[in-house]
Amino acid sequence: GESVGLHLPTLSVQEGDNSIINCAYSNSASDYFIWYKQESGKGPQFIIDIRSNMDKRQGQRVTVLLNKTVKHLSLQIAATQPGDSAVYFCAEIISGGYNKLIFGAGTRLAVHP
Amino acid sequence: DAGVTQSPTHLIKTRGQHVTLRCSPISGHKSVSWYQQVLGQGPQFIFQYYEKEERGRGNFPDRFSARQFPNYSSELNVNALLLGDSALYLCASSQEQGRFRSETQYFGPGTRLLVL
Repeated sequence: GESVGLHLPTLSVQEGDNSIINCAYSNSASDYFIWYKQESGKGPQFIIDIRSNMDKRQGQRVTVLLNKTVKHLSLQIAATQPGDSAVYFCAEIISGGYNKLIFGAGTRLAVHP
Repeated sequence: DAGVTQSPTHLIKTRGQHVTLRCSPISGHKSVSWYQQVLGQGPQFIFQYYEKEERGRGNFPDRFSARQFPNYSSELNVNALLLGDSALYLCASSQEQGRFRSETQYFGPGTRLLVL
């Protein structure tokens, strides 16, 4: 079926630590994945994306890893800051002639000083 | 440059009423998508429009409809509102239709609808 889910609903980390947010997807035909960050009262904000022909992609303080064998996606945030506190969603692009994003339920990241 | 804008920001309606939500995409973006986000869940795809034509529809009843105007802005209409329609309605725009899956969708702040 079409579903994208997350392993952990809440993740608490200390400021300065690295954070890892995980996501499982079920559609093996999906070939594009995006991580979004959503702060309270705001719409989802694009963080980083990755194509299925890649295993890893790095941005500024963020890295996305893709394991197609087990259909697993992760977002790593280095040196987590209080401003990183938000809900993080992975989204899967379903083919069909247009970009239909399939979101998971989200993981809340809480950064403690 | 302004991002995606949506209006109104908040709205309270009663069951059975109808509602119209509006979205203005990023300048130069031709595609608009609508999503419904129920509290505590991820956004769910409702519609995608490109060049004023509906290109995709999610699993929502016919009470939900939308349209896109020549200036690429869009309206989402919901008739015969139910309590379960209470949610954050998000609009996202992208440059193209999305034939290429790397067409990033940029989201607006959403309209929070409460149905009493």
